[in-house]
Amino acid sequence: GQNIDQPTEMTATEGAIVQINCTYQTSGFNGLFWYQQHAGEAPTFLSYNVLDGLEEKGRFSSFLSRSKGYSYLLLKELQMKDSASYLCAVPRNFNKFYFGSGTKLNVKP
Amino acid sequence: SQTIHQWPATLVQPVGSPLSLECTVEGTSNPNLYWYRQAAGRGLQLLFYSVGIGQISSEVPQNLSASRPQDRQFILSSKKLLLSDSGFYLCAWRTLTGDRDYNEQFFGPGTRLTVL
Repeated sequence: GQNIDQPTEMTATEGAIVQINCTYQTSGFNGLFWYQQHAGEAPTFLSYNVLDGLEEKGRFSSFLSRSKGYSYLLLKELQMKDSASYLCAVPRNFNKFYFGSGTKLNVKP
Repeated sequence: SQTIHQWPATLVQPVGSPLSLECTVEGTSNPNLYWYRQAAGRGLQLLFYSVGIGQISSEVPQNLSASRPQDRQFILSSKKLLLSDSGFYLCAWRTLTGDRDYNEQFFGPGTRLTVL
């Protein structure tokens, strides 16, 4: 199976930078996904990493180290609308997606 | 473009009553379909997935079942609901296409189920 760990909750200030970590243990690796989920809504796709290194998409970047079983999501120039839960997911065989419990990010003025 | 529908949006049911949640996808063919449950403040738990009509894989043995009567229709059912079945139920789809580097899952709007 998969074992995925994320911090439960984080708080950051508007305009700042925040890093959300995810560690995983998996039998077989098929990439790692990050999703954003606002309260009461469905998750939406943010990023995908399958090779080591940093993938940048605007204010959001995601990093992967396969040897360490570690990923992080970096959010720059935080905005109030970034307050949400951020879910790390590791697929197995591209059919079974295992999600972490999510990190609730609170952005304060 | 592809869209995914779920209904109902919210549901309040008594313990022991039956359940039927429906999910349909438009704008794609032969998708992989998934049912997840999310308890309050928790992550997503994969319940069932399907790679084709009539093909269902169960991840968590419990009093729920799933069916896929048509290519783009996925149904989650229960004969007798338990209190622990309360949660946010999400349907998702995924298409494996060779011209993409990755194939993320797209989620429907969800059904919030409260069992009393």
